[in-house]
Amino acid sequence: SQQGEEDPQALSIQEGENATMNCSYKTSINNLQWYRQNSGRGLVHLILIRSNEREKHSGRLRVTLDTSKKSSSLLITASRAADTASYFCATLMEYGNKLVFGAGTILRVKS
Amino acid sequence: AAGVIQSPRHLIKEKRETATLKCYPIPRHDTVYWYQQGPGQDPQFLISFYEKMQSDKGSIPDRFSAQQFSDYHSELNMSSLELGDSALYFCASSPSRRPFYNEQFFGPGTRLTVL
Repeated sequence: SQQGEEDPQALSIQEGENATMNCSYKTSINNLQWYRQNSGRGLVHLILIRSNEREKHSGRLRVTLDTSKKSSSLLITASRAADTASYFCATLMEYGNKLVFGAGTILRVKS
Repeated sequence: AAGVIQSPRHLIKEKRETATLKCYPIPRHDTVYWYQQGPGQDPQFLISFYEKMQSDKGSIPDRFSAQQFSDYHSELNMSSLELGDSALYFCASSPSRRPFYNEQFFGPGTRLTVL
């Protein structure tokens, strides 16, 4: 990956459990975004957190951003089988307008 | 709500052939981005356009070119195709050049297979 790492690379949990994915990046950013992708399909935007924000919520999603550690986490609470997908973090650099994606976490939620 | 439209959705080409991928951004979005996602890889930025001018360039091969037209749709032209060009190609759009407050909206992608 150009920007950093996501961990874990793969995560398997039971329905109803919480899933936490982490993302680290290397350079100063403008914002960080999380996307979901179902098996080779399109990227669905989940949530955006700006560099001056520390935490954001959207439904069952909670995102944190620590710019001092250059890291972010995505928490999905009360997971469902339909949450099974790959999750990518993407950063918008401080200068420029392209998104730089992390390697992704494959989440499998077993029913 | 209208989304980003990409065509074709699937494309099969032979080595050394050419391909043209099209992207129609969300209405009133003036910035278009192209990304390439190889099998099992994360998406990689190729190129972007703002108001019909190239605004940023990533790891786009010289064999590829792109442009944005007056109606804001964009086309990615790929020549001398190689097996390694087989990938999912995404287009995204956003409503401003510096999308600090806006996310990029992605299309469903074009799956290109080079045989």
